[in-house]
Amino acid sequence: EIVMTQSPATLSVSPGERATLSCRASQSVSSNLAWYQQKPGQAPRLLIYGASTRATGIPARFSGSGSGTEFTLTISSLQSEDFAVYYCQQYNNWPPRTFGQGTKVEIK
Amino acid sequence: QVQLQESGPGLVKPSQTLSLTCTVSGGSISSGGYYWSWIRQHPGKGLEWIGYIYYSGSTYYNPSLKSRVTISVDTSKNQFSLKLSSVTAADTAVYYCARLAAAGTWDYWGQGTLVTVSS
Repeated sequence: EIVMTQSPATLSVSPGERATLSCRASQSVSSNLAWYQQKPGQAPRLLIYGASTRATGIPARFSGSGSGTEFTLTISSLQSEDFAVYYCQQYNNWPPRTFGQGTKVEIK
Repeated sequence: QVQLQESGPGLVKPSQTLSLTCTVSGGSISSGGYYWSWIRQHPGKGLEWIGYIYYSGSTYYNPSLKSRVTISVDTSKNQFSLKLSSVTAADTAVYYCARLAAAGTWDYWGQGTLVTVSS
């Protein structure tokens, strides 16, 4: 099973600032990596797939990069609605399809 | 717009079987191209994939749960279902149904339903 490790666990950022979230895979997942956003009491929402492709309707301030074992999600200028928990997920080797443990982006 | 809605008991006794149904609207399960999934989230924790089913009935399960999980589909009702047997308190979680696209990501999710295992 591929283990996904996200860092940091919590990221404190002021509105308007840049946020950089990391995700590391225990073995290469190529570019088969997705990012999801989850707000309290809501289901996750797909943000990025293929490591860098934004899903339909996702604002351009969200960008993804990386391949192999190291990935990054960048939010260029945090808006109030962006404070949430972010999960990475690999779909290169399955079963199982595995998620990271999440990074909480909170208001500084 | 595809919508998914979970339904089922919110309280299950230990050792019994958890049963949930997901009703899909705005799209047909039978149209193919997607896998219909169950994912759970323990309180305050991360996401765990349980398994998924294709409209033909082919299933794939998380190895860690495989011995206790059954996912089935009813295309006439545009629904798919989850059964998890021999539940314990460790199965208390929010259960989501979701659509898995061929690309490998979940693009539509239900709102989730909390299932508590307690006597």
